[in-house]
Amino acid sequence: SQTIHQWPATLVQPVGSPLSLECTVEGTSNPNLYWYRQAAGRGLQLLFYSVGIGQISSEVPQNLSASRPQDRQFILSSKKLLLSDSGFYLCACIRGSATNEKLFFGSGTQLSVL
Amino acid sequence: GESVGLHLPTLSVQEGDNSIINCAYSNSASDYFIWYKQESGKGPQFIIDIRSNMDKRQGQRVTVLLNKTVKHLSLQIAATQPGDSAVYFCANSGTYKYIFGTGTRLKVLA
Repeated sequence: SQTIHQWPATLVQPVGSPLSLECTVEGTSNPNLYWYRQAAGRGLQLLFYSVGIGQISSEVPQNLSASRPQDRQFILSSKKLLLSDSGFYLCACIRGSATNEKLFFGSGTQLSVL
Repeated sequence: GESVGLHLPTLSVQEGDNSIINCAYSNSASDYFIWYKQESGKGPQFIIDIRSNMDKRQGQRVTVLLNKTVKHLSLQIAATQPGDSAVYFCANSGTYKYIFGTGTRLKVLA
């Protein structure tokens, strides 16, 4: 079965600093990969998704970017963090490239921008 | 669409009672639906799914009902336990992505 690794679990960063969150997937190949953000006590906001290496779709315009340098690696980045970037960031995947399959989530990164 | 900016509604249920959590969706083309449970500080965990060719599916203590006519999905939890306290999200499939509902916080009262 597939496993999603996200790190770090918690991150505190000053405003204006860069960000790099990494997500790797084991146990499946050619997965669809997703980055979600969740503000405290709120729902899940889709930020980016990728259906293959180098293919990134952005859902919400903002100062974040995503990259997929390898089949099972998905990276979320920012050059300069804003206070509003604080939140719980979740990586998710669908096994293979199947549609209508379960979306599996990683354990998340709690980001606080101060 | 997504309702990520709204505060989560709360459902309070007495331990041992049944819980019913509701969800409305807008994409009539969706043919796959999932319920997730999210505990504080953790990623959402899969509970149960249902495809659009079904209107009911049962798991262990959970049942999902799908009404495609009114685009409504519900999750029923039998004999609610303290460990069921969490936020519950519904999701329906779109093209390459999933659309999540607002979420409902379930509080189990002792």
